[in-house]
Amino acid sequence: KNQVEQSPQSLIILEGKNCTLQCNYTVSPFSNLRWYKQDTGRGPVSLTIMTFSENTKSNGRYTATLDADTKQSSLHITASQLSDSASYICVVPFSGTYKYIFGTGTRLKVLA
Amino acid sequence: DVKVTQSSRYLVKRTGEKVFLECVQDMDHENMFWYRQDPGLGLRLIYFSYDVKMKEKGDIPEGYSVSREKKERFSLILESASTNQTSMYLCASSFFGIGSYNEQFFGPGTRLTVL
Repeated sequence: KNQVEQSPQSLIILEGKNCTLQCNYTVSPFSNLRWYKQDTGRGPVSLTIMTFSENTKSNGRYTATLDADTKQSSLHITASQLSDSASYICVVPFSGTYKYIFGTGTRLKVLA
Repeated sequence: DVKVTQSSRYLVKRTGEKVFLECVQDMDHENMFWYRQDPGLGLRLIYFSYDVKMKEKGDIPEGYSVSREKKERFSLILESASTNQTSMYLCASSFFGIGSYNEQFFGPGTRLTVL
């Protein structure tokens, strides 16, 4: 079954701390995986895309990794800020179709 | 900047009412999508359109219909609203082609409450 699972469901950290969010997928065939950030009451916004051949990609304080062998991706946030409080959603396209498989997201809260 | 706008941020309707949710994108995208988002369930595809007047059912089309008369506009219609359609509705658009590398751009969402 084509699925995307994220962990943890929710996370609370103090400002300035680092954290890592996990995404496991079973979508096949696999071509890429995208991480979105969704602020409360807003639509998701793309943070980064990881293609099959990429292992690591950074976007400011966000670093995504991909292990295509174990079908796992992670999103690492360095030196967290209050504005990082949001839901982070992992998405994998269902190859050959117009469909995307969405994870249920990790809700991150950064406290001052 | 890509912009996807939705007609309402918040909407309250009564059971049985006909409800229209409008979505407009300004990037000349061919693909447009309607999703609903519920806690613990992630985004679920209601309908998809890849061209004017073209539409395809998603995973949960029951109780919904769509209209795409112009390329930039994609409407979601709840023919007879029910309480189980209370949800956050998200519109998205992307360039043409089978999904893979095409980024979806999302609107701000419409939170619909059906009483």
